[in-house]
Amino acid sequence: GAGVSQTPSNKVTEKGKYVELRCDPISGHTALYWYRQSLGQGPEFLIYFQGTGAADDSGLPNDRFFAVRPEGSVSTLKIQRTERGDSAVYLCASSTRYSGANVLTFGAGSRLTVL
Amino acid sequence: DAKTTQPNSMESNEEEPVHLPCNHSTISGTDYIHWYRQLPSQGPEYVIHGLTSNVNNRMASLAIAEDRKSSTLILHRATLRDAAVYYCILRDVAQGGSEKLVFGKGTKLTVNP
Repeated sequence: GAGVSQTPSNKVTEKGKYVELRCDPISGHTALYWYRQSLGQGPEFLIYFQGTGAADDSGLPNDRFFAVRPEGSVSTLKIQRTERGDSAVYLCASSTRYSGANVLTFGAGSRLTVL
Repeated sequence: DAKTTQPNSMESNEEEPVHLPCNHSTISGTDYIHWYRQLPSQGPEYVIHGLTSNVNNRMASLAIAEDRKSSTLILHRATLRDAAVYYCILRDVAQGGSEKLVFGKGTKLTVNP
């Protein structure tokens, strides 16, 4: 497709459950990013991939959060034992190099609600 | 990453120019200045970026101070569709550094009809 696609767009789950959020980047973009955004705040960096490997995972809040990108394209963000504080919009972006810097294109996000 | 400071909010009238300021007094020589914006209920959207010289594209202009300690995003003629949160971000492109972008709270721009 033309843009970054994220599924599901909305996910409601119960505390303690396992959740997977999927991101389909723009074809040919080698870098892929995950952010999360709480109401009234700017996006918070979680992790980014260069190809298949995680180049920087310094934003993952704890070991309940894990992300993979096994073939260097689609990525999945996995959250174990969800907590109410995990409720947020999870944003994915892929990037291309333009005029000396990485330019990110974001998806519309996956809204996660933990009851 | 070096820090940026932006006003929390600004207002403008439709069809008038808008100047959104950003202070970055600790900027390093290899920091690019990026601007993204986020419309309600959407993901952020790239606007423009630059290093030293002023930059223009179809969306906006970026004016960078000579000492690079501040910059201004210029929307030449605001429309209602430009109402969004605007983020100014510094990214160090020195070799070996992380390519992550660190967002602050940004400036919420309201455009009045």
